[in-house]
Amino acid sequence: DAKTTQPNSMESNEEEPVHLPCNHSTISGTDYIHWYRQLPSQGPEYVIHGLTSNVNNRMASLAIAEDRKSSTLILHRATLRDAAVYYCILREAGTASKLTFGTGTRLQVTL
Amino acid sequence: EPEVTQTPSHQVTQMGQEVILRCVPISNHLYFYWYRQILGQKVEFLVSFYNNEISEKSEIFDDQFSVERPDGSNFTLKIRSTKLEDSAMYFCASTQMGYTQYFGPGTRLTVL
Repeated sequence: DAKTTQPNSMESNEEEPVHLPCNHSTISGTDYIHWYRQLPSQGPEYVIHGLTSNVNNRMASLAIAEDRKSSTLILHRATLRDAAVYYCILREAGTASKLTFGTGTRLQVTL
Repeated sequence: EPEVTQTPSHQVTQMGQEVILRCVPISNHLYFYWYRQILGQKVEFLVSFYNNEISEKSEIFDDQFSVERPDGSNFTLKIRSTKLEDSAMYFCASTQMGYTQYFGPGTRLTVL
């Protein structure tokens, strides 16, 4: 799996938008960009994924750079419940292969 | 909403003992996985299982580990002779077609 780079930690105020960056300069044309998060003392949880176009779902938005070498997970209004470690993971299209987790970004949300 | 369940939530065992960790994946899912997370470290892949056989395994998944789907609902991870370094959270995951993996809440294994 291609490597991703994320900041170790970020902070946000509650009710503010949060932009979590991910660099993946060696991404291949068939790699999807997946985001998972892990709340304290819980298993990882799927957030969103995309290939080329920006994606929105009820949890977040995913903005993908035109050259696909970076992406940004956007939480539109952070809440205390969004405090978690966020992982950006690349996976080859059409496979049910393993997820390779890095160290992710630890998001702290404060009042 | 369907979810992956795991039992027990916490297992304490003596070094050298066998443990079986149990998972009930989401019912129409076809692919099953075990991951582990040592305290303070990354989530690590152990094994994937499809069509009643192992499809991929990591270097961690040595001869001490085995997986089984004994019936239509359970998916188990067995560690034959536990070591201190097996202490970790073990997560089961499943997916229907491969795009999104759904994780269980984990089993905390403590080896004394």
